[in-house]
Amino acid sequence: DIQMTQSPSSLSASVGDSVTITCRASQGVTNYLNWYQQRPGNAPKLLIYAASGLQSGVPSRFSGSGSGTDFTLTISSLQPEDSATYYCQQSSSSPLTFGGGTRVEIK
Amino acid sequence: QVQLQESGPGLVKPSETLSLTCTVSGGSTSDFYWSWIRQSPGKGLEWIGYIYYTGSPDYNPSLKSRVTMSIDKSKNQFSLKMHSVTAADTAVYYCGRTSSGWTYTDVWGNGTTVTVSS
Repeated sequence: DIQMTQSPSSLSASVGDSVTITCRASQGVTNYLNWYQQRPGNAPKLLIYAASGLQSGVPSRFSGSGSGTDFTLTISSLQPEDSATYYCQQSSSSPLTFGGGTRVEIK
Repeated sequence: QVQLQESGPGLVKPSETLSLTCTVSGGSTSDFYWSWIRQSPGKGLEWIGYIYYTGSPDYNPSLKSRVTMSIDKSKNQFSLKMHSVTAADTAVYYCGRTSSGWTYTDVWGNGTTVTVSS
């Protein structure tokens, strides 16, 4: 199985800050890397697909980059509603696997 | 737009079979994979598997011996059966629509909590 490692596991930032979350795959996944946001009590929501594709309806302050084994999710201007846990997922090979999550807290 | 809704018992006894159904509304089951993903209390996300609209499944090897998925295109439903459950299978179970290209899950059900307990 491909292991996905996210860092940091949690962070705290202020409204308006730029935030970056990192995801590393144990082997190359080309661009088969997706990002999800999960607010407490809710189902995950797709933010980014194929490493950098912005899902329809997702604010443009969210962006993804990377290829191979190293990927980043950036929130360019943090908003109060961005308080959530973020997960990366590789969809290059079965079984699909998720990172452990990064909890984003608003100061 | 497409919506998904999980249904099934919220309480299952140890060693018995967990059975969940996901109903697809606002669209058909064609041309997508239909996924099951779970989240144990306070934990991260675990992919259980998916079934293609043609009926071909792919399961997580860690659960493969206990899992069966099926799809009923006439009812716009797909289902999960997990046999011989234990307390470790207690989780929120989500169904999802997964693209057949980049294999991302873009539509999720609200999730249903399943507790395994006698």
